[in-house]
This record gives sequence, structure tokens and C-alpha cells, in this order.
Amino acid sequence: GAVVSQHPSRVICKSGTSVKIECRSLDFQATTMFWYRQFPKQSLMLMATSNEGSKATYEQGVEKDKFLINHASLTLSTLTVTSAHPEDSSFYICSASLGLAEETQYFGPGTRLLVL
Amino acid sequence: AQKVTQAQTEISVVEKEDVTLDCVYETRDTTYYLFWYKQPPSGELVFLIRRNSFDEQNEISGRYSWNFQKSTSSFNFTITASQVVDSAVYFCALRERSGGYQKVTFGTGTKLQVIP
Repeated sequence: GAVVSQHPSRVICKSGTSVKIECRSLDFQATTMFWYRQFPKQSLMLMATSNEGSKATYEQGVEKDKFLINHASLTLSTLTVTSAHPEDSSFYICSASLGLAEETQYFGPGTRLLVL
Repeated sequence: AQKVTQAQTEISVVEKEDVTLDCVYETRDTTYYLFWYKQPPSGELVFLIRRNSFDEQNEISGRYSWNFQKSTSSFNFTITASQVVDSAVYFCALRERSGGYQKVTFGTGTKLQVIP
């Protein structure tokens, strides 16, 4: 159980375009999802916490208008990188938990974004 | 100050050797959770263990064991009789309450290479 999927697994786009990444909890309902960013050979940095039906909570330094997060259902959260630039190239990972008080986060396989 | 410190950036061992990955954390919360995740080259994070702050019993799962020492704020991870498949980056993580939200902070990771 506790499987989380991400789509796409890899995306290459031109600078200035927007990219949408989907995160789905396949066998459980996730009231809370998290979005992380990981640069090569670095740790995971939390970008935002996404709660179903409410606005996401962004970490300090993360641009809300740049990284749009929508958590429309209990099994789906989306991250849209708007007007992507080469510096946005990274590995984006989502995770999901049963609730804010649920101890364990289950991670998706990640999405590699390359902006040319 | 770094909340989760993994001082070992990279470790190389020969197959069948035992190896211990260190993790030191910092928190003011009395209730918190500690995790270990494995990230193989494919990128997907694999959950290994969760330990809450009230349970200091060491745990063993097959070749894996964990030593939680609250007095020294450490949560070390030992792999016995290492195998090539153990080669990955291992992250230690801390979950605590921050501004009313539960968030997970990851260490910088330890890259383990098991040489056949």
C-alpha cells in the first residue's frame, strides 16, 4: 500500500513555457501532499505543503506565482512551473501522507525537469 | 544551524563489510519523528524506518539496524554484510512541528558505494 505516482517522469521544455507535474496517491486518500525539489547531489528541499481544498503553504523563498500548486482532490496534487527557465531544471519529488498528523510520508518516483 | 546532520558525504565499503551511517539531529520539540530513506540511482525515495521520540528501543530488520540515542541526539543506521544493491544515497530526516505545520527536514545524505 501507500503508493504515490508522478507524471511525467521526465520532461524537457523550452524556456518560457509552463510545465505541469501531477502527483497521485494510488491506494489511499492523501489530505496532505508535499512538494520537494532536489538539485544534483543535494538534499531534498521542501517547497510547499499542499492541503486538499485549501491554498498551499509555501516555504520561505519559494515563489507562489512561479510554482503553482493545486490540490483539487484527495488523490491528486499538481505543481505547475510557470514560465520555466534553465535554473528551474531540477528533480521534483512529491510525497503524500494520510493527514497532517500522519507520521510517514510516502514519496513519488520524482520528475526530472530540464529547461533548455 | 542545520537540523539534521549527516557528516559522512560518501562512504565506500567492500561487499560483506558492515557499515554505519551517522545522523545527528537538533530540535526543541519533545515529540518528533526520525526517518531513514534510501534513494537509489533511479531517484525514488524508499522509506526504511520511522522512529518516534518516545521510543528509544533499537530496531533490527534483516541486515538493517538502527540505534536511537536521545541523549546524544543521534539516530544511526547500520547495514550488516553489505551488498552491492545497498549502493544508494541514504537520507536521515526529522519531522517536527513548525508554525503549526508538520514538516520534514532532510539531512544532506550519505552516498554509500558497496564495491563487489
